[in-house]
Amino acid sequence: DAGVTQSPTHLIKTRGQQVTLRCSPISGHKSVSWYQQVLGQGPQFIFQYYEKEERGRGNFPDRFSARQFPNYSSELNVNALLLGDSALYLCASSLISTGSNQPQHFGDGTRLSIL
Amino acid sequence: AQKVTQAQTEISVVEKEDVTLDCVYETRDTTYYLFWYKQPPSGELVFLIRRNSFDEQNEISGRYSWNFQKSTSSFNFTITASQVVDSAVYFCALSERVGNEKLTFGTGTRLTIIP
Repeated sequence: DAGVTQSPTHLIKTRGQQVTLRCSPISGHKSVSWYQQVLGQGPQFIFQYYEKEERGRGNFPDRFSARQFPNYSSELNVNALLLGDSALYLCASSLISTGSNQPQHFGDGTRLSIL
Repeated sequence: AQKVTQAQTEISVVEKEDVTLDCVYETRDTTYYLFWYKQPPSGELVFLIRRNSFDEQNEISGRYSWNFQKSTSSFNFTITASQVVDSAVYFCALSERVGNEKLTFGTGTRLTIIP
């Protein structure tokens, strides 16, 4: 079975531009989460979506937005890019079950560089 | 607020030695989940283990073992007879409340196994 797939793998943008990152979850997984990982640090939670609704939002500015589609894939959008947005963006998917938090499975990430 | 501390930034050991990675967490919830992930140079986060707050049994999986102690809020990870392929950054993570999938990660421990 295919794991979590993210596209593109690498992206170079300039300050002020906008970017869209894409994620396809593992088949059967209905929850998708996004994380930002700056070099040398642990991933930071950005969003969680389940059944097309936002379930959680981390401490990120409104320039960051996301959505989930009926097939459970997801997009992360970042507007007005800043140099500090340069990072590895990770998507994770999981099964949602009542009574427990299932492990999140991560994709290879999109490495975003802002010039 | 939840917090995960991995005080060891980098560890180097000679192949076949045992090594323990420390993780200390803070949470106000009585129900929470702890995770360990491995991040090899390729960048993908690989899930290793999940432990819930009601299960303090230690676990062994091959050369890997985990020691969960609520009394000290620690969830340490030991690799026995280390191998070069174990070289990676290891992250400890915490999620609170069932259904809230936000993972709070530590800053990671970079483990280098010297042949």
